Amino acid sequence: QSALTQPASVSGSPGQSITISCSGTSSDVGNYKLVSWYQKHPGKAPKLMIYEVNKRPSGISNRFSGSKSGNTASLTISGLQPEDEADYFCCSYAGSNPFLIFGGGTKLTVL
Amino acid sequence: QVQLQESGPGLVKPSQTLSLTCTVSGGSINGGYYWSWIRQHPGKGLEWIGYIYYSGTTNYSPSLQSRVTMSVDTSTNQFSLNLNSVTAADTAVYFCARTRPSGVVVEYWGQGTLVTVSS
Repeated sequence: QSALTQPASVSGSPGQSITISCSGTSSDVGNYKLVSWYQKHPGKAPKLMIYEVNKRPSGISNRFSGSKSGNTASLTISGLQPEDEADYFCCSYAGSNPFLIFGGGTKLTVL
Repeated sequence: QVQLQESGPGLVKPSQTLSLTCTVSGGSINGGYYWSWIRQHPGKGLEWIGYIYYSGTTNYSPSLQSRVTMSVDTSTNQFSLNLNSVTAADTAVYFCARTRPSGVVVEYWGQGTLVTVSS
């Protein structure tokens, strides 16, 4: 299966909201409520931000939210802050071939 | 807070075996989670390699299954990845991670280690 499709980059100003899309197929994103989103700063370990489409782990700001429509999942960050500038990856369960697939990543720039 | 740290050679020759170890701290490797390996090729997205349960049960990516072996050592709280017959296409940053019991939610990651395949 091919990787999930994400925009290479998005940008926004502090305080604004942005949305990052993650497009898959009916075999992965469209078939399961098992999409996760990760934030990665350079040189740091990826951090789980959203799981099972729209659930936030403990300690993650409610400025981060997730949703899904059909074969496309989305991550929305509201009230952008400078520290939100990072790479964001989506991930979906894909059955057994392979078990998990990831998006190519989106670089968020906070202007 | 669970922490994971990858270790191993940063340079491997073509046709040889890539071997990495992940040391888990802040939690027991026996704790009912799955322990995963994921890699990122330079400038590319992430690729799931597979996971292992503390009992030794594994699940590997079909594209790598013929070359991958994972193991777990509960006495040292470590798990390992072996990838044989490597080529330049295996050059990547390799991450180890803890995955929730569903096997789907990768919740804690190491910082990653770059492995270059070159003669």
